[in-house]
Amino acid sequence: GDSVTQMEGPVTLSEEAFLTINCTYTATGYPSLFWYVQYPGEGLQLLLKATKADDKGSNKGFEATYRKETTSFHLEKGSVQVSDSAVYFCALSEGPGDMRFGAGTRLTVKP
Amino acid sequence: GAGVSQSPSNKVTEKGKDVELRCDPISGHTALYWYRQSLGQGLEFLIYFQGNSAPDKSGLPSDRFSAERTGGSVSTLTIQRTQQEDSAVYLCASEDRGNTEAFFGQGTRLTVV
Repeated sequence: GDSVTQMEGPVTLSEEAFLTINCTYTATGYPSLFWYVQYPGEGLQLLLKATKADDKGSNKGFEATYRKETTSFHLEKGSVQVSDSAVYFCALSEGPGDMRFGAGTRLTVKP
Repeated sequence: GAGVSQSPSNKVTEKGKDVELRCDPISGHTALYWYRQSLGQGLEFLIYFQGNSAPDKSGLPSDRFSAERTGGSVSTLTIQRTQQEDSAVYLCASEDRGNTEAFFGQGTRLTVV
């Protein structure tokens, strides 16, 4: 079945460091791909998404490109801030009722 | 409402008691998910409702877990005879048909003592 694998955390970075959180997927069809973020004490919220191969999702300085050839959707940010500290979840969906999440990666950014 | 609302936000219960968790989805959203997030774990799918279709219950971990959705809106997740391993954050999400973006509530933190 469809699944998502993301890099294990926790990840600790200094402010202004470059961030990469790896995400790979397996799917039978052509899923949409997502990154969700969960800030401390809050629910999950959509960070960015891409619906087809080679699409790039971006938001708040974060980017991820849908790579069909490597079945990947890695999350990147060029310069992280303390306020980016959160848990990040990679997810895929092949349609209604089929939202599958990775295990989550906890990011801590230190000043 | 403006977002997905879950209640209570926190629930402490004794082992063996039944609990009910409530989810109010975004008005007009036809799809509703329940997930469980255990400490240090990812999101575990529990159940999915879409309109008037039969729900996908394939993620419910045991027959102590059940859920219903009345009138295609509010949903209640019921856990009977709670066990300590049921302690987790239970998340609800709703989704508009044809749009695969799910909107999450803030969750209910359940602690079974």
